[in-house]
Amino acid sequence: EAGVAQSPRYKIIEKRQSVAFWCNPISGHATLYWYQQILGQGPKLLIQFQNNGVVDDSQLPKDRFSAERLKGVDSTLKIQPAKLEDSAVYLCASSLDPGQGAYEQYFGPGTRLTVT
Amino acid sequence: AQSVTQLGSHVSVSEGALVLLRCNYSSSVPPYLFWYVQYPNQGLQLLLKYTTGATLVKGINGFEAEFKKSETSFHLTKPSAHMSDAAEYFCAVSGGGKLIFGQGTELSVKP
Repeated sequence: EAGVAQSPRYKIIEKRQSVAFWCNPISGHATLYWYQQILGQGPKLLIQFQNNGVVDDSQLPKDRFSAERLKGVDSTLKIQPAKLEDSAVYLCASSLDPGQGAYEQYFGPGTRLTVT
Repeated sequence: AQSVTQLGSHVSVSEGALVLLRCNYSSSVPPYLFWYVQYPNQGLQLLLKYTTGATLVKGINGFEAEFKKSETSFHLTKPSAHMSDAAEYFCAVSGGGKLIFGQGTELSVKP
């Protein structure tokens, strides 16, 4: 079974530029998550999708971050414009429906973003 | 609100020694608890999880953890450390599907 795929693996941009990250979850997983992991900290949830609807985006800085999950499969996370403090690893995870008791999340390898 | 506290940001053990990584949680509802491991430049891999039932849970690579409700703890142990266990370990509690992570504990294993 293929795991969660993410691209690119690494990205370096200058502040005020824009960047986009892509995630392909495990086939059949209804729920998709984007986490931000700042160096030395645990991952923090940015947004949770159930199929193509948003369940939780309370921690997403909506003035600069946006995310979509068209057709309930792949997802894209965008930052525009980027700030220095956005330097982090962006992790995508997927799971079966937590509402059905499936709480185990599977993580992709992450995208390491450096903003200079 | 739910939260997780991992005691000790760095733990160093000798190869063959006991590994003990501490995790305490706060939750207003019965918690679902997880330990994940992260190797350099990789995503997180699930080691083990507690949902309901037996409070001693066994995971991959010889790790286990015990859920102690009275102590609000979910400490991770391994009887004998191996060099390949060197990594970052995260404890997490599940709230509404999303995971709330601790700060992480970096485990170093000395030969």
